[in-house]
Amino acid sequence: QVTLRETGPALVRPTQTLTLTCSFSGFSLKTTTMCVTWVRQPPGKALEWLALIDWDGDTYYNTSLKTRLTISQDTSENQVVLKMTNMDPADTATYYCARITGRGVIMFYSIDVWGPGITVTV
Amino acid sequence: QSVLTQPPSMSGAPGQRVTISCTGSSSNLGAGFPVHWYQQLPGTAPKLLIHGDTIRPSGVPDRFSGSRSATSASLAIAGLQAEDEAHYYCQSYDSSLSGWVFGEGTILTVL
Repeated sequence: QVTLRETGPALVRPTQTLTLTCSFSGFSLKTTTMCVTWVRQPPGKALEWLALIDWDGDTYYNTSLKTRLTISQDTSENQVVLKMTNMDPADTATYYCARITGRGVIMFYSIDVWGPGITVTV
Repeated sequence: QSVLTQPPSMSGAPGQRVTISCTGSSSNLGAGFPVHWYQQLPGTAPKLLIHGDTIRPSGVPDRFSGSRSATSASLAIAGLQAEDEAHYYCQSYDSSLSGWVFGEGTILTVL
């Protein structure tokens, strides 16, 4: 069974750096086609893709947020960390980590399992 | 504003069929990137409903179906049930933005 769970602070101050950890089980990020991604959702608003790390350690970022985001795999093989710098009240949202996988090129992949989300208030 | 356009809201009576559209452009759906659909019940994380335009993951009722044309896609829900009341999001990849994109979402109300 594949599960993911987000952990981190519920409250951060403006200009601080947010660090979120995604702990997952049931799959290996070293397996081809396995990726972990982060998506956020401001209150009452739509989903917004943030970042992705693939089985090769390659990273992809939302271009509008790229300068503020870093996604990495923790020394523990089953954790992925997202850092977002210079937090602003507009970054208040529920942040989801999720497994993204599929067939063919990575751009074709879909998110098949989501974590429950963590609400972060700035 | 998203590059994938969805109607903000739709409604239908129990038992009816509704279709939610997702309109893109030449840099996403028109470029051949597949569309995926997610259902988000109130207060919960999204759930994958349809991937690769038309494929239903195991466990998703066959009342849900997906289709697409050149620059648009649709999610059809047949035999509407009260439990289908939720937000629905389409998602694809955009080559101009070099990233994965979501539609603005459609809230479905079962009358």
